[in-house]
Amino acid sequence: GAVVSQHPSRVICKSGTSVKIECRSLDFQATTMFWYRQFPKQSLMLMATSNEGSKATYEQGVEKDKFLINHASLTLSTLTVTSAHPEDSSFYICSARPMGSYEQYFGPGTRLTVT
Amino acid sequence: GENVEQHPSTLSVQEGDSAVIKCTYSDSASNYFPWYKQELGKRPQLIIDIRSNVGEKKDQRIAVTLNKTAKHFSLHITETQPEDSAVYFCAASTTSGTYKYIFGTGTRLKVLA
Repeated sequence: GAVVSQHPSRVICKSGTSVKIECRSLDFQATTMFWYRQFPKQSLMLMATSNEGSKATYEQGVEKDKFLINHASLTLSTLTVTSAHPEDSSFYICSARPMGSYEQYFGPGTRLTVT
Repeated sequence: GENVEQHPSTLSVQEGDSAVIKCTYSDSASNYFPWYKQELGKRPQLIIDIRSNVGEKKDQRIAVTLNKTAKHFSLHITETQPEDSAVYFCAASTTSGTYKYIFGTGTRLKVLA
């Protein structure tokens, strides 16, 4: 149980285009979903916290207009990287927290490369 | 702001030896401390966690200790095996509000056969 999927696993896009990443909790309802960014050999940096039906809370330094988060249902959250640039290239990982749990379950990650 | 320090950044041990990774957190409201193992290009996997109402928890070769007064918690792996080689992250969280995790900087563990 507690499986989180992420799609796509890899994406290459051109500079200036937008990319959407989906995060789904497959066998549980997620009160909260989180989006992280991880650069090579570095830790997971929390970008934003999203609750179903409400606006995401962004961490300091994360541009909300660039990283659009939508949490439309208790099983789906999306992250859209708008007007992507090469410096946005990174590993993006989502996690989901089931109702009543302290734990977060992580998706497999999406490797974004902006050329 | 909240911060979690993790040491060492790299650790090499001989197979069969023990490995210890230490973390210190700054937010005194933190009361949940998970440890994750991440292999290259893969998702983090929870290996053990501890809540602030206990001082120690053990699961086979893995144990975690917590000192709330000093705001320290540590991961102990005994009888290490080559498949323990990975990056380990500690995190601190509060079980209220956003439940967000603040991750440590990670420890790259290498178990030498």
